[in-house]
This record gives sequence, C-alpha cells and structure tokens, in this order.
Amino acid sequence: GAGVSQSPRYKVAKRGQDVALRCDPISGHVSLFWYQQALGQGPEFLTYFQNEAQLDKSGLPSDRFFAERPEGSVSTLKIQRTQQEDSAVYLCASSLSGTRFPYQETQYFGPGTRLLVL
Amino acid sequence: AQSVTQLDSHVSVSEGTPVLLRCNYSSSYSPSLFWYVQHPNKGLQLLLKYTSAATLVKGINGFEAEFKKSETSFHLTKPSAHMSDAAEYFCVVSAHASGGSYIPTFGRGTSLIVHP
Repeated sequence: GAGVSQSPRYKVAKRGQDVALRCDPISGHVSLFWYQQALGQGPEFLTYFQNEAQLDKSGLPSDRFFAERPEGSVSTLKIQRTQQEDSAVYLCASSLSGTRFPYQETQYFGPGTRLLVL
Repeated sequence: AQSVTQLDSHVSVSEGTPVLLRCNYSSSYSPSLFWYVQHPNKGLQLLLKYTSAATLVKGINGFEAEFKKSETSFHLTKPSAHMSDAAEYFCVVSAHASGGSYIPTFGRGTSLIVHP
C-alpha cells in the first residue's frame, strides 16, 4: 500500500517567509511524528500527535514552529518568519497504534521535505 | 536521561565481507533500541528493534543486533555485505518507565560504504 508522503519535497524560502510542510500518513495510522534533520546529523524529535491531539511538542525549537493535525490524518508543520538555521530536512513518520508507549512502536517515515532558507 | 553514540561516522567494507556498525547507549530506564537505514532520497526504514524480549534481534536483509546490557551496546552486524547495503544507518534509543516513554534519541549516523 501507499507509504507516508510529504510535500513539497523541496522548498526554498527567503528569510522571514512563512512555510507550510504537509504530511500524509499511512491510512489508519493513529500516531504521527515530526522530526528535523540537519545536515550531517541524526533526526531530532519535534512533536507527536495521537489522532488530532498533539500530545508532545517538547521538541519544537521556538514559538515560530507550529504543527496541527485537525482531522487526525493529514498534518501540517508551519514555520513562521523562517531563519537560516531552520534549513534542514523535515521528516514525518506515522505508526499504527497510539499506545501508552508510542515511541516504542515501529515508525514509518516519509521521504522528507528539504527546506533551504536563504 | 538517555543518549546514543555511534562510534564510527564511516565504515568501509568490501562486498561479501562482514559488516559491524557500533552503537553505545546510556539510559536511566529500560531502553528500547532501534536501527534504521536511510538510502538517498528515501525515507528511513526500520531494520530491527529491541524492546526487552530476546537480546539477539534479527532484522530485515540479513542484519542482526545484540543487546548487551553490561556493555550498554547494541551493535549491528551482517555476515556478508551487499552493494545495496550502502546507506546511512541510525541507532536510536527510547527509554520507557512506568509513567510512559521518552522521545526517541537518534545517533549521528554511520555511513556504510561497500566496495565491489
């Protein structure tokens, strides 16, 4: 079946612009995760949704970052007033269930959105 | 608190020879450990995971890893490398306690290079 998809795949923004990154999880997956992967680094956790509820946003680096999943399926990560340090690959992942231990579940990753802020 | 260290940023092997990618972790609670592989322009894919069951974990594509609590290690191995194994590999730790689980911490990655 279809995997996790993300759009756009590439985004170039001028510093100060707002951007919106979209994630379509695998159909029926309850949990959804966003990660930020800087060049040469491993992914870093940003936020976690169980259905439409954002249960953990401890990894969001500033109040310029905002994520939503209003109907419990598609999610959007929005970055306001982009800065050069926001340049990274943004990964979305989903997992089937929303258990008490969501981070122990197998996550299925999308290909990522590569954001470049000039 | 938890952390993960991938001891090699690059590993180079010849096709048909064994692969060893090293990972050490620290965790205040019971850890779950994962290895993911990332091919260029592809999403991360789970190779295998340890979640407090058998300490020797077998994964896809002939990979396996052994959880060694005394050494706080979770090294990834494969008996014979294939050209298609060339990719970036990430070790991940996520501790869990009675109150819930901790967000996953990824290592910095090990780039596996396979020579013909």
